Order: sequence, then structure tokens, then C-alpha cells
Amino acid sequence: EAQVTQNPRYLITVTGKKLTVTCSQNMNHEYMSWYRQDPGLGLRQIYYSMNVEVTDKGDVPEGYKVSRKEKRNFPLILESPSPNQTSLYFCASSLSRGTGELFFGEGSRLTVL
Amino acid sequence: SQQGEEDPQALSIQEGENATMNCSYKTSINNLQWYRQNSGRGLVHLILIRSNEREKHSGRLRVTLDTSKKSSSLLITASRAADTASYFCATDTGGSYIPTFGRGTSLIVHP
Repeated sequence: EAQVTQNPRYLITVTGKKLTVTCSQNMNHEYMSWYRQDPGLGLRQIYYSMNVEVTDKGDVPEGYKVSRKEKRNFPLILESPSPNQTSLYFCASSLSRGTGELFFGEGSRLTVL
Repeated sequence: SQQGEEDPQALSIQEGENATMNCSYKTSINNLQWYRQNSGRGLVHLILIRSNEREKHSGRLRVTLDTSKKSSSLLITASRAADTASYFCATDTGGSYIPTFGRGTSLIVHP
């Protein structure tokens, strides 16, 4: 089954404790992206990747890192989480930039205390 | 930065009625997409309309695009309680082709 898998789905952590949210897709997609969703603000793009070893900042990259060492994986790293990073995070992928349909993971709800 | 803005923010209707939501954007687009999100779940792609298209249909969904007004509408005909969800438009512009999402319309369909 074609899917985008995120882990963990739920996480409560404390300020400053490094964490990684994994994202994996099984569709051989070139383009992958991370979004955060906050009430009243919709989806905002954090980082995106056009292909392996190619990543770029979205609209709200501060406090986040990403890597794309393999085509299928695109982890989101919070080196020193802060309470303002409490949010619902989504990973998405598409065949390539400009091909339209994004496939989304089920989301990772992160709470930073 | 958010390119598209949906209107209304919230919509409440009875089962069987039609639901119309709109998306306005600021700069010329390549494509406009509509997505659906059930509460707290991942977004699901509904339909894509290209800048040179004016109307597309998919089942009970009808999407129109008016590039002169920089707006699009999503019509759901004969709505069902299962259509209760948030609906987002996403636009991509210029050479980036990277979709930017609006804040969404929350639709409630009462049985």
C-alpha cells in the first residue's frame, strides 16, 4: 500500500531534549516536505527536499533541521525543542516538484513542556 | 507565506444541501489544488486544476477557477455527514511549483 509513515504519532517532551520525527515513503517520490499545523494558521512549510541530498528552507525553518540521505526517508530534527514548537506536524511527498498531488502522513502531535 | 485564503472559515449545512467554499489568491498560479482533512488526520488530495483550466469534476465535487479574479470555488453537491472535514486550497506559483496552503474552511454537515 502506498503510504507516508511518520513516527512517533504522539510525543510529549521537555524543553531542550533533542528529538527526531521520522518520515518514510514507499512510492519512490523525489519531493518530500514537512509542515506544521497550528490553530488559525493553517499549514506552514518548514523544510522541503527536491531529491536526495537536496533540501531547502520553507516558511518557518527556525529551530528545525532535516536531512535527505536516502530517497525514502526525510527526518525532522528538533535539536533543542521549545514550547513554541508544540504543534501537529505533517510529512508529505509527491512524485516530483510540480507534479501536483501531495501524499500526507497521518501526523505527529508534539507537545514541548 | 500563505498565498491562498479560503472563505468562509466555517460552514454548517444540513445533509443533502450543497456546500460551496472559495479560495482567493494573490499572484498568478501554475496549479490550484483542493485537499480534505478529517479532524487531526493527514490531508487527502481531492482535485487539481491547472491555470489554463476553468472547471473540473470528480464525483460530487466541482471545482472552478477564475484566473481573472484570482479565485477558485469547490462545490460539494448533495453533502453527507461524512463530508464533515476541513478543506484547504493549495496554490503553486512561478518556477518553484511548491504548493502553499491556506487556513482552510471547516465544514460541518448535520445528519
